[in-house]
Amino acid sequence: GDSVTQMEGPVTLSEEAFLTINCTYTATGYPSLFWYVQYPGEGLQLLLKATKADDKGSNKGFEATYRKETTSFHLEKGSVQVSDSAVYFCALRNTGGFKTIFGAGTRLFVKA
Amino acid sequence: DTAVSQTPKYLVTQMGNDKSIKCEQNLGHDTMYWYKQDSKKFLKIMFSYNNKELIINETVPNRFSPKSPDKAHLNLHINSLELGDSAVYFCASSLSGGAIPTGTQYFGPGTRLLVL
Repeated sequence: GDSVTQMEGPVTLSEEAFLTINCTYTATGYPSLFWYVQYPGEGLQLLLKATKADDKGSNKGFEATYRKETTSFHLEKGSVQVSDSAVYFCALRNTGGFKTIFGAGTRLFVKA
Repeated sequence: DTAVSQTPKYLVTQMGNDKSIKCEQNLGHDTMYWYKQDSKKFLKIMFSYNNKELIINETVPNRFSPKSPDKAHLNLHINSLELGDSAVYFCASSLSGGAIPTGTQYFGPGTRLLVL
């Protein structure tokens, strides 16, 4: 079945450091890929998404490129801020399916 | 305006009690979901309704019963609460593309359930 694997956390960075959170997936067909973010005490919210191969999703300085050849959707940000501290979830939704499959989440701590 | 709202935000109760959590969305979506998030932040789908019809029913104890009175509401009733039910429960909604849901999910703020 479809699955999402993302790097284990926590990830601890200093402010202005470069961020990469790895995400790979297994799916039949052509899924849409998502990154959701969960700030402390809140629900998940969409950060960015990509719906087909080679698409790049971007938002708030975060980027991720849909790589079908490597089945990956790694999240990157060039310079993190303390306010980026949160849990990040990679997810996929396949065509013909009713479910969104979420990864296990990666907690990010950014130190001032 | 809150897009997806849940009540209550916090729920502390004794083992064996019965409780309900309510969810409402004002986004005009036709698909709604219940998720359970454990203390390690792992998110597990429990149920989903599309146009008031149950379309996802994961392996969940039958003490959990969802009910969707209309497309904007999805409630969750839990009977005979157990310690292991302690978690954060999230409601979410999305807009389907015809019969198959597609696209972004919008989450509520969560209901923090603690069973003592």
